Amino acid sequence: EAGVAQSPRYKIIEKRQSVAFWCNPISGHATLYWYQQILGQGPKLLIQFQNNGVVDDSQLPKDRFSAERLKGVDSTLKIQPAKLEDSAVYLCASSPTGQGGEQFFGPGTRLTVL
Amino acid sequence: AQSVAQPEDQVNVAEGNPLTVKCTYSVSGNPYLFWYVQYPNRGLQFLLKYITGDNLVKGSYGFEAEFNKSQTSFHLKKPSALVSDSALYFCAVRDSSASKIIFGSGTRLSIRP
Repeated sequence: EAGVAQSPRYKIIEKRQSVAFWCNPISGHATLYWYQQILGQGPKLLIQFQNNGVVDDSQLPKDRFSAERLKGVDSTLKIQPAKLEDSAVYLCASSPTGQGGEQFFGPGTRLTVL
Repeated sequence: AQSVAQPEDQVNVAEGNPLTVKCTYSVSGNPYLFWYVQYPNRGLQFLLKYITGDNLVKGSYGFEAEFNKSQTSFHLKKPSALVSDSALYFCAVRDSSASKIIFGSGTRLSIRP
């Protein structure tokens, strides 16, 4: 089965610019997650979707970050405007319905903000 | 509130020796526990999980982990390390009553030939 797809793999932008990341989860997976992984740290959950509804976005900086999952399939994460501290790898993951299910991760997008 | 700790930033082991990567957790309800591995420039890969049942869980690539409720630990183990096991390992926990999964800070495992 195809894995979680993400694009782009790498992105370099100037601070105050905007950027968008795309994720296509594994077919049939109801839950989709966006994580931010800063170098040397574990992934931090930004937002979790169940189908096209938001389950948890408590750690999403809503003044600059937004995410949507239209039609309950693929998702986009946007940053506008970007700050230097947003430099990180953005990971998308999906899992089947059920709290005991493991997550399947995409390869991530490495964002560098200059 | 739930939390997870990986007390060692780095673990160094000689090839062929047993390895242990430590993880402790804190949840208010029953824990769901996971181990993931991350290779350079790759996403995280699932290794194994504990939901319920036997305390010793076997996973991918010969890894296993032991759930210890009294010590609130879920240490990752392998009887004989390979150089190819060198990577970054993350422990993660979810409270059975919550939806969010929390990841540890990671442990870099280095296996020398």
